[in-house]
Amino acid sequence: QSVLTQPPSVSGTPGQRVTVSCSGSTSNIGSNTVSWYQQLPGTAPKLLIYGNNQRPSGVPDRFSGSKSGTSASLAISGLQSEEEADYYCAAWDDSVNSPVFGGGTKLTVL
Amino acid sequence: EVQLVQSGAEVKKPGESLRISCTGSGYIFTTYWIAWVRQMPGAGLEWVGVIYPGDSETRSSPSFPGHVTISADKSISTAYLQWNSLKASDTAIYYCTRFVAEKDLKYVDLWGRGTLVTVSS
Repeated sequence: QSVLTQPPSVSGTPGQRVTVSCSGSTSNIGSNTVSWYQQLPGTAPKLLIYGNNQRPSGVPDRFSGSKSGTSASLAISGLQSEEEADYYCAAWDDSVNSPVFGGGTKLTVL
Repeated sequence: EVQLVQSGAEVKKPGESLRISCTGSGYIFTTYWIAWVRQMPGAGLEWVGVIYPGDSETRSSPSFPGHVTISADKSISTAYLQWNSLKASDTAIYYCTRFVAEKDLKYVDLWGRGTLVTVSS
């Protein structure tokens, strides 16, 4: 069982806005910043969001992140079929002195 | 181009030893942490441990106590993940990643393509 809790799956239609939630505790999300990763089928993960809401260069502004207390969210607006992938949240955890990941959320574009 | 190049897939038997590698290029290898991340078949991502190639400081995840060894040779910009005695449960893809740790920011900004390790009798 992962330290950070994500819904196993979410779905949306092209053009729609979807959100993926990530719930943690005071020792991880509550105290540290959150990052998000996209893993397309059969490929390595890729950084989407760091520092709760910062996008690396090359990531479209349709992707956005937010954090409140011990929870975080990833929002994708203008959903595209090629964004069907697994999405993971992560944060440093002070209690184990290492990063922890969420279990991942499979996004299906209907 | 900034990249992490990992060694190829391995097939081993239980009890055998193995070392996989990760070579960084396009950046100063000694100034970023290298972290190893495991992904078992059909499962999510798990932190294995990290090393700072500049001084070889190493930290392992509590989930992998003493089972794996992380090392680095900064002269060739290469990090390693090593097992002395593999188990079937070690079967997974192992990703080499570049880990950014700056003040309040801690995240992986670069991923290798992964090394598939299969352990089967």
